Amino acid sequence: EVNLVESGGGLVQPGGSLRLSCATSGFTFSRYEMHWVRQVPGKGLEWVSYITVGGRTAYYADSVRGRFTISRDSAKNSLYLEMNSLRVEDTAIYYCVRSVDYWGQGALVTVSS
Amino acid sequence: SYELTQPPSVSVSPGQTARITCSGDALPKKYAYWYQQKSGQAPVLVIYEDGERPSGIPERFSGSKSGTMATLTISGAQVEDEADYYCYSTDNSGNHWVFGGGTELTVL
Repeated sequence: EVNLVESGGGLVQPGGSLRLSCATSGFTFSRYEMHWVRQVPGKGLEWVSYITVGGRTAYYADSVRGRFTISRDSAKNSLYLEMNSLRVEDTAIYYCVRSVDYWGQGALVTVSS
Repeated sequence: SYELTQPPSVSVSPGQTARITCSGDALPKKYAYWYQQKSGQAPVLVIYEDGERPSGIPERFSGSKSGTMATLTISGAQVEDEADYYCYSTDNSGNHWVFGGGTELTVL
């Protein structure tokens, strides 16, 4: 069974940093591109970033480019999102997504003073 | 930046056919994907690569595409199909993904 579990969410002040993790199981992690998608509660979905199978190339939405960094560790079957210079508008539920098909349950990130 | 456009809401009676559209300039060359999201839950993939249905998704869900418009069709919509539906695709580069704004489907 494919499983993705996000962790690392929480409350952070504007300008602060946070690192999200996504632990995966039930599939060969190294064979899939991985994405982060976020959703402000009550609003629509927003693609944030994706990383290629080998981890050498990453792409970002304009809204986070230069502040967020996606990475992966195939030895740990895990995906990460390093978030710096956080803004109030980054407050959202962050989902880890395998390619286009399986989603985690999300981690809530709240940016507030 | 690239955009996908969906109607904000669609309403049908139980048993009727619901159609949700998604328009985008890159759709003629890029696949469309569709997700269903019920309140408080993570999205679920219901259609991939324009018209393919994942295992476990009811046959009443189908997808099609013509030119710059993709369509999700729910034939004989059920009350349990009430949810938000999002289309998803990439820009022409294939490296930047975009969601449509979402369509709230009401079945009553």
